[in-house]
Amino acid sequence: EVQLVQSGAEVKKPGESLKISCKGSGYSFTSYWIGWVRQMPGKGLEWMGIIYPGDSDTRYSPSFQGQVTISADKSISTAYLQWSSLKASDTAMYYCARVLVPATARDAFDIWGQGTMVTVSS
Amino acid sequence: EIVLTQSPGTLSLSPGERATLSCRASQSVSSSYLAWYQQKPGQAPRLLIYGASSRATGIPDRFSGSGSGTDFTLTISRLEPEDFAVYYCQQYGSSPPCTFGQGTKLEIK
Repeated sequence: EVQLVQSGAEVKKPGESLKISCKGSGYSFTSYWIGWVRQMPGKGLEWMGIIYPGDSDTRYSPSFQGQVTISADKSISTAYLQWSSLKASDTAMYYCARVLVPATARDAFDIWGQGTMVTVSS
Repeated sequence: EIVLTQSPGTLSLSPGERATLSCRASQSVSSSYLAWYQQKPGQAPRLLIYGASSRATGIPDRFSGSGSGTDFTLTISRLEPEDFAVYYCQQYGSSPPCTFGQGTKLEIK
């Protein structure tokens, strides 16, 4: 079964760092771009960025460039989203998602992780 | 950046009725790179339609997508109780970013 399994919910304080993960299985992890999508409480979906685990080529939305870092470790089929200094406004559900077609960055997301809730509060 | 505007914001219909959801882009979406997703409370989004009109694997044929350029439509021919959810369109012809619309909530009347 093709799936993405994300790490568990996190509660952090402002200024702390955080790295959440997304592990792929059931397919060739290095062949498909994986994206990250933010959903703030009660709000819509926001495309944050995307990475190709095969060579770590990464593209960011201008809204998130410099605010987060997307990375991947192909040896363990895992993609990451990290913050160096969290803000209260980073409180949201974060989803990872795989594109539909191999090696295609501009694509719809057909496989989604279950989401990781990040809460940032003092 | 391409801005997608979905309408209506909320659509109130009864099971068995036909639903028509609209997604309008601020500029032309190349090669009809337009997708539709369904999201239910507490769940991740699910891909329904890609390439403006192709149904994703396992999606019932009561869901159909159409349109090109700047105007796209998701139609649900006969609503089932499980179809009441929030629907998002997404363009991926211009990247980054691959923007989403703000969503349409389909609620039971």
